[in-house]
Amino acid sequence: LAKTTQPISMDSYEGQEVNITCSHNNIATNDYITWYQQFPSQGPRFIIQGYKTKVTNEVASLFIPADRKSSTLSLPRVSLSDTAVYYCLVGRMDSSYKLIFGSGTRLLVRP
Amino acid sequence: NAGVTQTPKFRVLKTGQSMTLLCAQDMNHEYMYWYRQDPGMGLRLIHYSVGEGTTAKGEVPDGYNVSRLKKQNFLLGLESAAPSQTSVYFCASSLMVNTEAFFGQGTRLTVV
Repeated sequence: LAKTTQPISMDSYEGQEVNITCSHNNIATNDYITWYQQFPSQGPRFIIQGYKTKVTNEVASLFIPADRKSSTLSLPRVSLSDTAVYYCLVGRMDSSYKLIFGSGTRLLVRP
Repeated sequence: NAGVTQTPKFRVLKTGQSMTLLCAQDMNHEYMYWYRQDPGMGLRLIHYSVGEGTTAKGEVPDGYNVSRLKKQNFLLGLESAAPSQTSVYFCASSLMVNTEAFFGQGTRLTVV
């Protein structure tokens, strides 16, 4: 299971772009990178998943460099409602994978 | 389409009592998971299931048992509750391994 390292917390202001980087130095060839978002008193919500290069959806973009040893979740023009904990998960698409969450990054968006 | 539903939403137990938390999903998902989340902490995987009739241990399985007799239901049991099991419990399901997981609204359990 690839170990992930994320910043404990980040601060931003409304309207800014926020980039949260996750390190996963021992990522395996078959591993995918997935990000979840958790609001207070709610269960996590899937944001985005990728394998390499760049993935974009209506919520965020995920940038993965060629060596795949890190990934960056990019949130464009954040609002107060983006205040949440963001989790980076790394794992493969086989039965050995357990959906295990780390401590995540606590993002605070200020007015 | 309700998604993932957890029952109950709140519960207070006395030390030594037993209880069962029910997780039901209506998405025909194969994988189901139980987590606990302590205040200010991340989620910790208790047990999970890769299909009907299967269960497996997660990171913190001690003190808990699970059963998956029907594909849509995943039960979490506490045989003898302890104050250390005071937590918020989340259930999740996913269609296949490492695909998008959907979470329930959580069960807040207090053991006194």
